[in-house]
Amino acid sequence: AQTVTQSQPEMSVQEAETVTLSCTYDTSESNYYLFWYKQPPSRQMILVIRQEAYKQQNATENRFSVNFQKAAKSFSLKISDSQLGDTAMYFCAFRDTGNQFYFGTGTSLTVIP
Amino acid sequence: DVKVTQSSRYLVKRTGEKVFLECVQDMDHENMFWYRQDPGLGLRLIYFSYDVKMKEKGDIPEGYSVSREKKERFSLILESASTNQTSMYLCASTSGLAGGREQYFGPGTRLTVT
Repeated sequence: AQTVTQSQPEMSVQEAETVTLSCTYDTSESNYYLFWYKQPPSRQMILVIRQEAYKQQNATENRFSVNFQKAAKSFSLKISDSQLGDTAMYFCAFRDTGNQFYFGTGTSLTVIP
Repeated sequence: DVKVTQSSRYLVKRTGEKVFLECVQDMDHENMFWYRQDPGLGLRLIYFSYDVKMKEKGDIPEGYSVSREKKERFSLILESASTNQTSMYLCASTSGLAGGREQYFGPGTRLTVT
């Protein structure tokens, strides 16, 4: 079975600084997909970034980038130039070839003005 | 703009009541999911459906059932609500096509059982 672990329940960062959220996962599959989702307070969960396991290049989306280490089964999210609107719960997720999704327990990020 | 909607944002029910949570998606997605979200536990899968009238149990199906009579609609049913089912319920959908598409989530229903 696939598992996803987020070991940082809470984090904080000063506005305009950079923060990295950690995620590790366990799987025996070789082809899969990884995601970071953002859930702002009282708002809808939305996709931040996606990584395909067969691609070695790390995905980037504006201020968001990932450090994907396939051998180490690590998938961290880096947020550059943090903004107040980045305050949210962040979930790491894994999609297997059977279209099943597995989520971590989340990291609550607070951006401090 | 893709959309997943849920019938209620907030719901208060009494113990023993039968509760229906509705989810509708407009993206013609094959796969639909119901999750329960509790602090410190992340998202736990209750049920999912790969097609109309198809359903599979997730990790915590006890006390819940589902119905998918039409492709766009996936309903979660609490047969006899209990206080330990007080939680946030999230519906999601995704394409069944190859390519590792992400899930799209509804806004959630915060259910309180008293």
